[in-house]
Amino acid sequence: DQQVKQNSPSLSVQEGRISILNCDYTNSMFDYFLWYKKYPAEGPTFLISISSIKDKNEDGRFTVFLNKSAKHLSLHIVPSQPGDSAVYFCAAGRTGTASKLTFGTGTRLQVTL
Amino acid sequence: DTAVSQTPKYLVTQMGNDKSIKCEQNLGHDTMYWYKQDSKKFLKIMFSYNNKELIINETVPNRFSPKSPDKAHLNLHINSLELGDSAVYFCASSHGAPMLFFGEGSRLTVL
Repeated sequence: DQQVKQNSPSLSVQEGRISILNCDYTNSMFDYFLWYKKYPAEGPTFLISISSIKDKNEDGRFTVFLNKSAKHLSLHIVPSQPGDSAVYFCAAGRTGTASKLTFGTGTRLQVTL
Repeated sequence: DTAVSQTPKYLVTQMGNDKSIKCEQNLGHDTMYWYKQDSKKFLKIMFSYNNKELIINETVPNRFSPKSPDKAHLNLHINSLELGDSAVYFCASSHGAPMLFFGEGSRLTVL
């Protein structure tokens, strides 16, 4: 029962262009969502989050959009840089559940020169 | 000056052995976790402790036993290792908020 899905295992984008990573969820009880970035041989690091009361959150080059009716969120990276090449995990959770996050399987982003 | 550190980073062992992975965080967080990333890249929660008290215990075999001697440490002991236990185990911590801080992971290979 995969409650958080990232259907694209990989994505290749040219430097300077926009990267769009997508995530779908099935559990309507989720009320906050996070994106994590992971480099090889390292642990995931927090990137950006959004709560269900918002539909957009922006932090520098990173913007997360939430469409609650579609149970869909996306991460936009503009402009993409080679250092952004990593695996990006979408995660979702419910308030009051002790930060029990459910993760997607990740999308590997490669930013080419 | 690592925030969440785990040891060992790599562990290769035979089936049937018992092994432990240690985790320490210096962030002052109240809650610590063990997550498992399997071969299909699913990152799933196993356990969570808040101030040394077990608060999340997912469907994990009894062979896995977490221990939290204090709120800065959460160790994972695995008895009678099986091939299917091969995975990367991540320790994490948090303080109230849903944002988790992860360690670098411990890759366990069971032969």
